[in-house]
This record gives sequence, structure tokens and C-alpha cells, in this order.
Amino acid sequence: GDSVTQMEGPVTLSEEACLTINCTYTATGYPSLFWYVQYPGEGLQLLLKATKADDKGSNKGFEATYRKETTSFHLEKGSVQVSDSAVYFCALSDFTGGGNKLTFGTGTQLKVEL
Amino acid sequence: DTAVSQTPKYLVTQMGNDKSIKCEQNLGHDTMYWYKQDSKKFLKIMFSYNNKELIINETVPNRFSPKSPDKAHLNLHINSLELGDSAVYFCASSPTRRTAGTGAFFGQGTRLTVV
Repeated sequence: GDSVTQMEGPVTLSEEACLTINCTYTATGYPSLFWYVQYPGEGLQLLLKATKADDKGSNKGFEATYRKETTSFHLEKGSVQVSDSAVYFCALSDFTGGGNKLTFGTGTQLKVEL
Repeated sequence: DTAVSQTPKYLVTQMGNDKSIKCEQNLGHDTMYWYKQDSKKFLKIMFSYNNKELIINETVPNRFSPKSPDKAHLNLHINSLELGDSAVYFCASSPTRRTAGTGAFFGQGTRLTVV
């Protein structure tokens, strides 16, 4: 079945540092890929997405490129802020078996310090 | 206006009780979901409904019974609550079950604590 593997956290960075959170996936079809963010005490918000190979999703300074050859969708940001502290989830969506569901990675907690 | 809203936000109850969580979306979406997030933040789908029809049921105990009175509402009823049911339950919706590229919009979550 489908699965998503992302790097374990927590990741602690200083403000303005570069961020990379690795994500790789296994899927039988041609999935769409997503990054969701969960701020403390809140629900999940869609951060960015890519629906086909070589697409680049971007939002709020974050970006990720759909790499089919390496089955990866790594999240990057050039300069993080304290307000970026949250849990980040990589996910894939595939329409199979009559339904469309999101399969999530385990989440990576990011803490940004001054 | 809240796009996907769940009530209650917090729910504390005793083992053996029956409880319900309500969800409503005002996005005009056809498909709604329930996800469970455990204490380690892991998210897993429980159910999916499309236009009031159950299309995904992911090996969830039959103490959990979803009900969709119309496509804008998906409620979750849980019978005989157990300690292991303590988690955060998220409702979500998406435009159509065939559009895998849209992702889903999530509610704020309901933190269920069984004591």
C-alpha cells in the first residue's frame, strides 16, 4: 500500500537558518503530494502541493519539488522565522479503490529559536 | 466564516459512555472524511463519505459509526468509549473524491479524552 516516510524531529534551528525536511513516498499509482502544517492547538493547513512529476509547489517562502525518479518531495525554506515553529506533515493522495484519501508521514516538529 | 467546523473542540468523558462529534463544511464539497491523530501526532484516515455514501472504511472498530445526513455534514458517533479512543479527531472535506490533486481542508479538531 501507499506510505510516506519523513525525517524524525524535532528539528531545532536558529532564526534565518535554512530548512530541509526530507520526505519520500511509496505509491502504486500516480499520487499527488502535499505538505501540511499544524500550528500548536490548531488543525492542519495545506502549505503546498504538487500534482505531477517535476512540479514545484511553493507558498510562504516554502517550496518542494515532486521528484518521481527519487520518489521524494523534500520541503525547503531559505530563511526560517520563529513563526514557522509547527509540525509539518508530508502526505500523498491517490484515487484508488473507490476513494480518495490522504496518507500522511509521521510529522516533523520544527522549533525555531531567536 | 469557518470552512470546516467541528463541535465540540474538547470532550472529556468516562469509559463506557457514548459520545458524538459533529462536523459541517460550507465549501460545497462532495466528499468528507474523519481522521484520527494519536498521541504521537500520527494521522490516519477512518472514514470517507461522498454525497452521503460511505466509500472508505479503514478497519475501524464498529463502535465508531459515521452518519452523513447530507453532503455538508458528517457526524461521528462512538459507543462504549475506551481509554485507547483518546485522540484528536479531525474532520475534513474535499471537492470530489476523484480529484486527488486538491488535497483536503481540515477542521480544528476535537480532542477526546477518555478517563
